[in-house]
Amino acid sequence: DIVMTQSADSLAVSLGERATINCKSSQSVLYSINNKNYLAWYQQKPGQPPKLLISWASTRESGVPDRFSGSGSGTDFTLTISSLQTEDVAVYYCQQYSSSPFTFGPGTKVDIK
Amino acid sequence: QVQLQESGPGLAKPSETLSLTCTVSGGSISTDFWSWIRQPPGKGLEWIGYIYYSRGTNYNPSHNYNPSLKSRVTISADTSKNQFSLKLTSVTAADTAVYYCARATGLVDPFDSWGQGALVTVSS
Repeated sequence: DIVMTQSADSLAVSLGERATINCKSSQSVLYSINNKNYLAWYQQKPGQPPKLLISWASTRESGVPDRFSGSGSGTDFTLTISSLQTEDVAVYYCQQYSSSPFTFGPGTKVDIK
Repeated sequence: QVQLQESGPGLAKPSETLSLTCTVSGGSISTDFWSWIRQPPGKGLEWIGYIYYSRGTNYNPSHNYNPSLKSRVTISADTSKNQFSLKLTSVTAADTAVYYCARATGLVDPFDSWGQGALVTVSS
């Protein structure tokens, strides 16, 4: 199984400041055939299901604010919230979908400082 | 826009079988990949398995299960009702979780649509 880790259980950021969440996979999720990283980011607010924010490591889903961006390749990935808003308080999960069983990171809780 | 809704008993007894159904609207379960994912209270997400229909198999469903649960899991579907179901046998307290159904549009695609989730508590 590919093990996903996230560098922080939680972080607190001031409103309007940048939040950076790191994710690492135990094996590369980059396929050289198509040069795509099979890595997604989800946002989960209390009492709600996860919401897909970013797929293919850096492709924002329709309707996701452009303050959210994803980067990285291979085994190391980052989700950046460029200017934290109150509605961004949530837990963020990375997930690999390159191979079964599909696995998620443990989550990073983002709060307002 | 596809919508998913879980339903089923919120309580299961230890050693018995947990059963849930996901009703899909705005899409067909004869296409795409339909998964179950669970989340124990206050914890992270675990993919349980998926079901899909492949034209290459004359539209017979195929499955893929997480090896950690494979011996206890069955995912089935009823195309006439546009529903798919989860059965998890021999449950223990460790199976207490919110169970989500979710869709991926391809074999290796993210989960782009989720149900609201159903809490199942395993307790006598």
